[in-house]
Amino acid sequence: EIVLTQSPGTLSLSPGERATLSCRASQSVSSSYLAWYQQKPGQAPRLLIYGASSRATGIPDRFSGSGSGTDFTLTISRLEPEDFAVYYCQQYGSSPGWTFGQGTKVEIK
Amino acid sequence: QVQLQESGPGLVKPSETLSLTCTVSGYSISSGYYWGWIRQPPGKGLEWIGSIYHSGSTYYNPSLKSRVTISVDTSKNQFSLKLSSVTAADTAVYYCARVKMGIGFDYWGQGTLVTVSS
Repeated sequence: EIVLTQSPGTLSLSPGERATLSCRASQSVSSSYLAWYQQKPGQAPRLLIYGASSRATGIPDRFSGSGSGTDFTLTISRLEPEDFAVYYCQQYGSSPGWTFGQGTKVEIK
Repeated sequence: QVQLQESGPGLVKPSETLSLTCTVSGYSISSGYYWGWIRQPPGKGLEWIGSIYHSGSTYYNPSLKSRVTISVDTSKNQFSLKLSSVTAADTAVYYCARVKMGIGFDYWGQGTLVTVSS
């Protein structure tokens, strides 16, 4: 089973700053199957990035994804007030299917 | 616009079976895609439970496989989750979602809180 470890657990930043979130896999992940989600309190997660670097429909270009193998990164170039949320990475593998990282909370400093 | 809505009891007794239904609108389940269930215990992260194709083929999280059954009713454009022998550890917000293989979960329901308590 592939385990996804996200860091840091919490990121304290100010609006306008750059956010860099890390997702490390316990073994190599196909880039095609690495996704990122944003979740705000009381809401369902929203797909941001798929295939490690492709933005989902309607996602602003300040969100970007990169990485391959075991190391993946979500970058928010300039934080907007609505970007403060929890972010999860996710991968798909043949077993057990889909797994999520434990999440990174981006909070207002 | 694709929309999903979970429904079912908000309170289930320990050892009983949790049953939820997801009703899909704006898209016919018969047209394709996988459909999945994900849960989130209060204050914790996301856990994939399992997924089903419109044909009925399923795959489940191995950690839950012995207790999970997911089924689909294309005539009602719904799919359902049954989780047996529940304990307090199964208390969570349960989400249904559309699964685009190779992409992820692109449409989600709003989620429903299920509490396991006597």
